[in-house]
Amino acid sequence: DQQVKQNSPSLSVQEGRISILNCDYTNSMFDYFLWYKKYPAEGPTFLISISSIKDKNEDGRFTVFLNKSAKHLSLHIVPSQPGDSAVYFCAASSRGGAQKLVFGQGTRLTINP
Amino acid sequence: DVKVTQSSRYLVKRTGEKVFLECVQDMDHENMFWYRQDPGLGLRLIYFSYDVKMKEKGDIPEGYSVSREKKERFSLILESASTNQTSMYLCASSQSNSPLHFGNGTRLTVT
Repeated sequence: DQQVKQNSPSLSVQEGRISILNCDYTNSMFDYFLWYKKYPAEGPTFLISISSIKDKNEDGRFTVFLNKSAKHLSLHIVPSQPGDSAVYFCAASSRGGAQKLVFGQGTRLTINP
Repeated sequence: DVKVTQSSRYLVKRTGEKVFLECVQDMDHENMFWYRQDPGLGLRLIYFSYDVKMKEKGDIPEGYSVSREKKERFSLILESASTNQTSMYLCASSQSNSPLHFGNGTRLTVT
């Protein structure tokens, strides 16, 4: 039972354009959501997070949107850069923090020059 | 900067062997985790620990055990390795409710 789903295994975007990565969840107890980025041969690194009391959180080129009624969140990257090419994992927690995370399957983002 | 070090990048073991995966963090973090990453399944939590000598099962603990004798070290043990345990294993640590910091992973192949 996949509680956190990333339905797009891959996404290809032109450099300079907006990248939108999507994530859906089924567990209504989740109250904290994170995005991690993973390069080959490295561990995932934390990118941005959002608490369920907010619907948007922004950090530079990265913005995460949360739609609680739809149980959906998205990560927007604008403008996209070649260094953004990586696998992105969505994760969720029901403990009000970053503990015991449940991860999605990941989306491979490729930024084309 | 937080450093989470996994002792091996690649391991090849035979079916039935006992396998130890070691993880050390240098930031005095309370919490440590073991995940495995498989294509199409993302990261799945095997075990985690909130303190020395404490451990809790994650979502897929079967076939695994863990040991946390010292705060900085969290070991994952495969009592009798099987081919379905071939995977990328990722260790992580965190302080309180802060985001997890991951090591670079150990790719284990069981033949």
